[in-house]
Amino acid sequence: QQQVKQSPQSLIVQKGGISIINCAYENTAFDYFPWYQQFPGKGPALLIAIRPDVSEKKEGRFTISFNKSAKQFSLHIMDSQPGDSATYFCAASYESGGSNYKLTFGKGTLLTVNP
Amino acid sequence: DAGVIQSPRHEVTEMGQEVTLRCKPISGHNSLFWYRQTMMRGLELLIYFNNNVPIDDSGMPEDRFSAKMPNASFSTLKIQPSEPRDSAVYFCASSLFDRDSPRQYFGPGTRLTVT
Repeated sequence: QQQVKQSPQSLIVQKGGISIINCAYENTAFDYFPWYQQFPGKGPALLIAIRPDVSEKKEGRFTISFNKSAKQFSLHIMDSQPGDSATYFCAASYESGGSNYKLTFGKGTLLTVNP
Repeated sequence: DAGVIQSPRHEVTEMGQEVTLRCKPISGHNSLFWYRQTMMRGLELLIYFNNNVPIDDSGMPEDRFSAKMPNASFSTLKIQPSEPRDSAVYFCASSLFDRDSPRQYFGPGTRLTVT
């Protein structure tokens, strides 16, 4: 059962454009929604995260929009740059085992920003 | 801080051989996660430890896979016997429990090829 569905699989954007990646989840127990960025040959790294008590979080050019009723959240990259070209993973988590968060990842979106 | 350290970075082995992947988490972190990444299945959580104790191994594909964490600074993932379908990139991640910001730090990964 895929608990976090991510789309699109790949995305090509021109420099300066807006990149939008969408995710949907099923488990209403999820209470933490991070986005990870992965460059080729590297491990994923946390980019930005949100909790369901807010509808939007912005950090620089990166914004998460969250719709709790629709069980959807999205990543917006404003003024996309070639250096943003990477694979982006959404994830969802809830506290488990009493002291940690187990992440369920989407399948990833390969973003290419053309110069 | 050296980050999460994984070894080897690349491993090529023949079907039937034993493979051992190693991970050194960030000092002071109390949770450790093993993930497998493939094109088909994306990032999958195999097992995670909290304070050196395995909490959830439901993602371990079968009995050929085993993981240990003998102390807070070292963990191994063993595959015996290995099969071609085990070919993937294996990531180790660690975190320090923080309910407000449960961030996982990923290592660079071990690319395993089983021929």
